[in-house]
Amino acid sequence: AQSVTQPDARVTVSEGASLQLRCKYSYFGTPYLFWYVQYPRQGLQLLLKYYPGDPVVQGVNGFEAEFSKSNSSFHLRKASVHWSDWAVYFCAVIAGTGGYKVVFGSGTRLLVSP
Amino acid sequence: VTLLEQNPRWRLVPRGQAVNLRCILKNSQYPWMSWYQQDLQKQLQWLFTLRSPGDKEVKSLPGADYLATRVTDTELRLQVANMSQGRTLYCTCSADPGQGADNQAPLFGEGTRLSVL
Repeated sequence: AQSVTQPDARVTVSEGASLQLRCKYSYFGTPYLFWYVQYPRQGLQLLLKYYPGDPVVQGVNGFEAEFSKSNSSFHLRKASVHWSDWAVYFCAVIAGTGGYKVVFGSGTRLLVSP
Repeated sequence: VTLLEQNPRWRLVPRGQAVNLRCILKNSQYPWMSWYQQDLQKQLQWLFTLRSPGDKEVKSLPGADYLATRVTDTELRLQVANMSQGRTLYCTCSADPGQGADNQAPLFGEGTRLSVL
């Protein structure tokens, strides 16, 4: 069955430092992968998406992610974190055939220190 | 801009009562609309995906019972009943472009917070 694992429940990064949030997926075939962000008291917002093609995908606000089939990973990166990046980040995979069902990881809470 | 509007945004639910949630898709038509449940620990769980007006599905999970209805091409409803006392959960609506729409990703609403008195 399709699944997504985010091994880090919480990550703390200093403002201005680089960031990597880890995501491992389990999927038979070629997956459609996403990173979503949820700011406090808001809904899920798309950061970036991967469809088969270039393994490095660019997203909004300076985020990027790299797809690795050999490692079954889709890690999220940012070169310089801003305090406004404080949020919960979800890695997700499309699981459905026919209709779309999104399977989410458990989320990683990003804390930004001054 | 395509939007998913959910209402209400927050509801206190008297114990034993059901609550009805609405999700309206604005400025677009996506074939698939879905409901997700999110707990206080932020864990997201898929509940339903419905395709056609008139489609209905029911599901019982620990802590709540659910009935989803695709009312029109742009409206999805969710009835939540038998919530456990003291429980808080979020219900989030999604609109999905369907297979082949490779330029798009599932869109999510702002969510509805439900708390049982």
